[in-house]
Amino acid sequence: QKEVEQNSGPLSVPEGAIASLNCTYSDRGSQSFFWYRQYSGKSPELIMFIYSNGDKEDGRFTAQLNKASQYVSLLIRDSQPSDSATYLCAVYTGRRALTFGSGTRLQVQP
Amino acid sequence: GAGVSQSPSNKVTEKGKDVELRCDPISGHTALYWYRQSLGQGLEFLIYFQGNSAPDKSGLPSDRFSAERTGGSVSTLTIQRTQQEDSAVYLCASSLGPPGNQPQHFGDGTRLSIL
Repeated sequence: QKEVEQNSGPLSVPEGAIASLNCTYSDRGSQSFFWYRQYSGKSPELIMFIYSNGDKEDGRFTAQLNKASQYVSLLIRDSQPSDSATYLCAVYTGRRALTFGSGTRLQVQP
Repeated sequence: GAGVSQSPSNKVTEKGKDVELRCDPISGHTALYWYRQSLGQGLEFLIYFQGNSAPDKSGLPSDRFSAERTGGSVSTLTIQRTQQEDSAVYLCASSLGPPGNQPQHFGDGTRLSIL
């Protein structure tokens, strides 16, 4: 079992819709969770991070964490074609530096 | 500088040669990380520095890979006797504090191609 799992996609949503990206992790001791966006040929850029159970909102983005179920999700409201990218979930377990999932490719159709 | 700076941006070299990749972290960031990303793949952790020491070097794939950090700032990743499977984008990141407490910010990477 991979430490951090993401559906590779592509996830295709129409412009203006809500995109929901999911990530599950195996280590129950995981402490903090990060979402990065990576455009093709570019380096990852941080979108947001979350430490506590519940929701955290930042503009059009909402991160949701459920430690009991060991998943973290990212919602993108009012999706735009410019949101088309690969979204990487990263988890800090306390044992090593961040462990990244392999990413979900999002396509927003105009 | 304003962000994490990596050099060179591209490196093409022949199999068997040694290469050095450089990372200049964001000023004041005590933690520095090296990752590599092969085409279409996720990020593979290589090594983490806190200050000049490396508490976690568990991701280095072989003894051909080494890294150092001096003055709590610039880091160099060295790959000796390069192999074709070393071809990848090597990404450096830095954070204000230890992993987990502070988000990591990435440089633009070095694209390494081994002929």
